[in-house]
Amino acid sequence: DAGITQSPRHKVTETGTPVTLRCHQTENHRYMYWYRQDPGHGLRLIHYSYGVKDTDKGEVSDGYSVSRSKTEDFLLTLESATSSQTSVYFCATRDSGGSSYNEQFFGPGTRLTVL
Amino acid sequence: TQLLEQSPQFLSIQEGENLTVYCNSSSVFSSLQWYRQEPGEGPVLLVTVVTGGEVKKLKRLTFQFGDARKDSSLHITAAQTGDTGLYLCAGAWAGGTSYGKLTFGQGTILTVHP
Repeated sequence: DAGITQSPRHKVTETGTPVTLRCHQTENHRYMYWYRQDPGHGLRLIHYSYGVKDTDKGEVSDGYSVSRSKTEDFLLTLESATSSQTSVYFCATRDSGGSSYNEQFFGPGTRLTVL
Repeated sequence: TQLLEQSPQFLSIQEGENLTVYCNSSSVFSSLQWYRQEPGEGPVLLVTVVTGGEVKKLKRLTFQFGDARKDSSLHITAAQTGDTGLYLCAGAWAGGTSYGKLTFGQGTILTVHP
């Protein structure tokens, strides 16, 4: 298993406050991803990174920003949290090896509640 | 946006029964994966299929990739209570850029009763 940790694991916050979720990996994987998981929607990509300081938007990026200053850390920030951002957030990593066939390794998730 | 339609969304069966979960798209995928997720944890990869028509077996689980690489199925034989969980299909779009982005289906919640 890739060593992927997420912090915090649970958070309750109020509408309008900024929130930062952290993903830390110990596998030196090049690619990192942030997803949100909601009932009936599977996993939806928020942002991804293909290297240090190289990031791009996914399909549900509005209201979120990311930063990656080191290979091992990928931060997701909710600039001004809204109730629609209540969700479970997963970080994933992927190696850049040619035989990986896009396999992603997932962290344990962060359950975020916005009141 | 490439969509993956997964069905059924819910499946409740008795131990010993067989079941099939389907994943369909109008897009061609270069590879397709099946993940299993347990409550409170992240998804874990079960299998990757990359060749049209490919069939892979993992104990009682059989995975098939459609000839045109637009669909896939997961068949479980003689389900056990330990198979209970959320099953997700995910595809890497053949016409996309690299970076390994995946499109996920909506998921199938499987409950196997003793």
